Amino acid sequence: QSVLTQPPSVSAAPGQEVTISCSGSSSNIGNNYVSWYQQLPGTAPKLLIYENNNRPSGIPDRLSGSKSGTSATLGITGLQTGDEADYYCGTWDSSLSAYVFGTGTKVTVL
Amino acid sequence: EVQLVESGGGLVQSGGSLRLSCAASGFTFSAYSINWVRQAPGKGLEWVSYITSRSSTIYYADSVEGRFTISRDNTKNSVYLQMNSLRAEDTAVYYCARVRGSSLSFYYMDVWGRGTTVTVSS
Repeated sequence: QSVLTQPPSVSAAPGQEVTISCSGSSSNIGNNYVSWYQQLPGTAPKLLIYENNNRPSGIPDRLSGSKSGTSATLGITGLQTGDEADYYCGTWDSSLSAYVFGTGTKVTVL
Repeated sequence: EVQLVESGGGLVQSGGSLRLSCAASGFTFSAYSINWVRQAPGKGLEWVSYITSRSSTIYYADSVEGRFTISRDNTKNSVYLQMNSLRAEDTAVYYCARVRGSSLSFYYMDVWGRGTTVTVSS
């Protein structure tokens, strides 16, 4: 049972924007940095965002991350069919002494 | 090319043991922390264990504490996960991933392997 809560699914038409929320607490998001991962069907997860809002090389600026208090958000603009995947937030939890992932969000392009 | 390759998965009976390996290439392995993450069929990601570059710090998820042991051999560029007393709920794809961040507060995983499948039959 994850300590980070995400909506099970979000959807939008091609070219539109989606946002995915990740809600936690002071022991995780509130005092640590958040990263985001994309998992395409049948593949390993891939890092999209680290340290709340930084993109690794090769990740387009259509993707963005932000954090406020004990919540974080991943935004995807200019939605493409290739964005259909599961998305997970993650961060260190200082109380659990463990890394925690969000419950995961499935993005569907209508 | 920076790469992590897992091996050692398979079918095992409940109560049995398996040892997973994670072989690294393309980077200075001894300078990085590594962790294991698993994903049960149809479920989300679950962090399993973490080991620092010199094995000085190790963490486990509560779900595996006392049953799993993480270790590494920097001379072989490899990390291992010894899994004992396996249960049906340990059935999952196990991924190893390279950990970045100047401290645990900055923790993230930038390179992932393709995973190895562990199936525990009851």
